[in-house]
Amino acid sequence: AAGVIQSPRHLIKEKRETATLKCYPIPRHDTVYWYQQGPGQDPQFLISFYEKMQSDKGSIPDRFSAQQFSDYHSELNMSSLELGDSALYFCASSLYDNSWYGYTFGSGTRLTVV
Amino acid sequence: DAKTTQPPSMDCAEGRAANLPCNHSTISGNEYVYWYRQIHSQGPQYIIHGLKNNETNEMASLIITEDRKSSTLILPHATLRDTAVYYCIVRVAIYNAGNMLTFGGGTRLMVKP
Repeated sequence: AAGVIQSPRHLIKEKRETATLKCYPIPRHDTVYWYQQGPGQDPQFLISFYEKMQSDKGSIPDRFSAQQFSDYHSELNMSSLELGDSALYFCASSLYDNSWYGYTFGSGTRLTVV
Repeated sequence: DAKTTQPPSMDCAEGRAANLPCNHSTISGNEYVYWYRQIHSQGPQYIIHGLKNNETNEMASLIITEDRKSSTLILPHATLRDTAVYYCIVRVAIYNAGNMLTFGGGTRLMVKP
């Protein structure tokens, strides 16, 4: 079965650079969630989208922005990168009408800021 | 969403049942109990969820006490591949609501040979 696809799997950036992470949800899933997981930390919710509109917002820094496109894929844009942004970034998807059932997570993007 | 309390770590012998407890004494009537696990550096994986009845699927069983203030996730025959952090999450499950999951304070299960 198709899963949530995230790209790239690994990314190395320098401080103050910009990074873009991509997420392709399971086909027919209309809701996307982004999570950040620092070393030794639990996943922290950043932001979610439903039908291209932001639906919930968590602890997402102002330097980060995200959007969901007409094909339901989503991109997380990160600017002015800091060392503390080094983390695993997970994307998850669900059907809005069935999100109570649970989410499916992707394998994540490991961002390293040097 | 209600707060949950889980032991920080547990060990289990391979082939034995792993019983992971979770306290959620402030759970509301419309809140479900969800279990996810995260194998090292992989994306969290949905295991099971329930409201008040016991639930079973191919991965695990979920036992919820009658007063719903606590629950136990049971992995009937733990394998080394079940070594992971297990998260108990209590969340309102509203139809037509894509609300997010909040992860925190899971149990690190170590399955040993």
